[in-house]
Amino acid sequence: KQEVTQIPAALSVPEGENLVLNCSFTDSAIYNLQWFRQDPGKGLTSLLLIQSSQREQTSGRLNASLDKSSGRSTLYIAASQPGDSATYLCALTNQAGTALIFGKGTTLSVSS
Amino acid sequence: SQTIHQWPATLVQPVGSPLSLECTVEGTSNPNLYWYRQAAGRGLQLLFYSVGIGQISSEVPQNLSASRPQDRQFILSSKKLLLSDSGFYLCAWSSGFGYTFGSGTRLTVV
Repeated sequence: KQEVTQIPAALSVPEGENLVLNCSFTDSAIYNLQWFRQDPGKGLTSLLLIQSSQREQTSGRLNASLDKSSGRSTLYIAASQPGDSATYLCALTNQAGTALIFGKGTTLSVSS
Repeated sequence: SQTIHQWPATLVQPVGSPLSLECTVEGTSNPNLYWYRQAAGRGLQLLFYSVGIGQISSEVPQNLSASRPQDRQFILSSKKLLLSDSGFYLCAWSSGFGYTFGSGTRLTVV
């Protein structure tokens, strides 16, 4: 059974710092891995999607990498801002059309 | 462009009352549709998914049910709510290129 773990559970950093959020999974046979952002009381906003054949994706200050052999993905946030404060969720599918399996998230707080 | 609508945004219901949450998708056809629940302090739990009209798969046995009467409509229901049904309910759709979530419904059972 696929399990997704996110470490750390919570992270506090000062504005401007670069940071890395970690996601690990137990079964390397994944189809897609997706990073989401969730603001308190809100739905999920997709940040980056990495397909199994890809190793990384970038969008603005965000970069996500995928290493299937080691069962790991990282989300790198450059020059963090207070507006980046949110919970970041890692989720993956094992095959096309199946539901996402989520980690429990990392709650990020960026102080000004 | 594809959009997903979910309503209501918040709901307070007494124990034993019925429930109906609706989700609709625009701008795509034959999407896979999903209902997730996020309870306080817990991760996102898949409740139901559907690959087509009338096709529902349940992941967790409980007093909730789901229906898909139209291609782009997904409904979550209960005949009698329990206190443990409180949570944040999210609808999502996928096209093989990632998943898109609705804005969620905060359900409080009192």
